[in-house]
Amino acid sequence: DADVTQTPRNRITKTGKRIMLECSQTKGHDRMYWYRQDPGLGLRLIYYSFDVKDINKGEISDGYSVSRQAQAKFSLSLESAIPNQTALYFCATSGGAQETQYFGPGTRLLVL
Amino acid sequence: RKEVEQDPGPFNVPEGATVAFNCTYSNSASQSFFWYRQDCRKEPKLLMSVYSSGNEDGRFTAQLNRASQYISLLIRDSKLSDSATYLCVVNPTGGYQKVTFGTGTKLQVIP
Repeated sequence: DADVTQTPRNRITKTGKRIMLECSQTKGHDRMYWYRQDPGLGLRLIYYSFDVKDINKGEISDGYSVSRQAQAKFSLSLESAIPNQTALYFCATSGGAQETQYFGPGTRLLVL
Repeated sequence: RKEVEQDPGPFNVPEGATVAFNCTYSNSASQSFFWYRQDCRKEPKLLMSVYSSGNEDGRFTAQLNRASQYISLLIRDSKLSDSATYLCVVNPTGGYQKVTFGTGTKLQVIP
């Protein structure tokens, strides 16, 4: 089984809808991250959490919110989806002495 | 200056060639360095860590130059399967600081 899972893997939604992307991990890591990736661009950090009680904004947090329900779960919400939030979203965890990052398979989101 | 900079490429090389990528970083306090590989529309996956003394994993060699603040990745005897985007990752250790990804260098190995 995959160490980092994301649901759904694909999602089509309409402008103005609220949606939630979920991430679960079995690696036992405290640190979790949400990134988005757009064609031709690098990974951009949306939010990150260094433990259950610690949530931090990344470089592009506007229009997004997160919830860290447990060490293993970190959800990303789009309160009112807009078309420029169409992207590939990755969840990641990090751990070990070097804080190596491990990624989920990604969620492809299309906002119409 | 960006925190982590990479040449986006693409680097188009024939099979069997040797190719090298560099990545520069701005934070001199950075402690951990990695190369990740990302296939098209897939998640990034760890290729190798980069150690101060340099390290090798099969056809791949990673180097760190702290004085000039860059890391490098050398791929020998390129295979078609090496075609991917290679991401440079820099991680300051200690405290609540986050990892930084480069935008990636695209490699296309040509038959």
